Amino acid sequence: EAGVAQSPRYKIIEKRQSVAFWCNPISGHATLYWYQQILGQGPKLLIQFQNNGVVDDSQLPKDRFSAERLKGVDSTLKIQPAKLEDSAVYLCASSPWTGGTVSEQYFGPGTRLTVT
Amino acid sequence: GENVEQHPSTLSVQEGDSAVIKCTYSDSASNYFPWYKQELGKGPQLIIDIRSNVGEKKDQRIAVTLNKTAKHFSLHITETQPEDSAVYFCAALNDYKLSFGAGTTVTVRA
Repeated sequence: EAGVAQSPRYKIIEKRQSVAFWCNPISGHATLYWYQQILGQGPKLLIQFQNNGVVDDSQLPKDRFSAERLKGVDSTLKIQPAKLEDSAVYLCASSPWTGGTVSEQYFGPGTRLTVT
Repeated sequence: GENVEQHPSTLSVQEGDSAVIKCTYSDSASNYFPWYKQELGKGPQLIIDIRSNVGEKKDQRIAVTLNKTAKHFSLHITETQPEDSAVYFCAALNDYKLSFGAGTTVTVRA
């Protein structure tokens, strides 16, 4: 079974520029998550989708971050404009969860963003 | 929201010895506790998990225990090997949201 795919793996941009990350979840997984992992810390949830609807985006800085999951499969996360403090690894995860009993989350390799 | 604390932040063990990582959580409503292993340049990999209706779970050299009363859970790795060297994260699920600890860097000395 193919895992969660993410691209690009690395990105370097200057502050105030924009950037987009792409995620393809495990086939058949209804729920998709975007996490931000700052160096030396655990992942922090930014946004959670179930199919193409948003379940939780309470920790997404909506003035600069946006995300979408059209057709309930692939997802993109965008930052515009980027700030220095956005330097982090952006992780995508997916889960077969559709509500009720909890289920496992599986992570992709991440995109390492450096903002200079 | 949920707050997860993880100790120690670094752990160095001799190959063949055991390693123990401990986590505490704040919200008694949390009901699912996964552990992830993250190697350099890779995403977190789920290695074991435990649900709130279970006190202990074992998978080969890895075991997890949960004490709901004290709100803490632990990861035990026995007979450590060099390939166990990585950063380990605990997490707690509350209101369908995973909150992670800060991680433990485990180094297995040959």
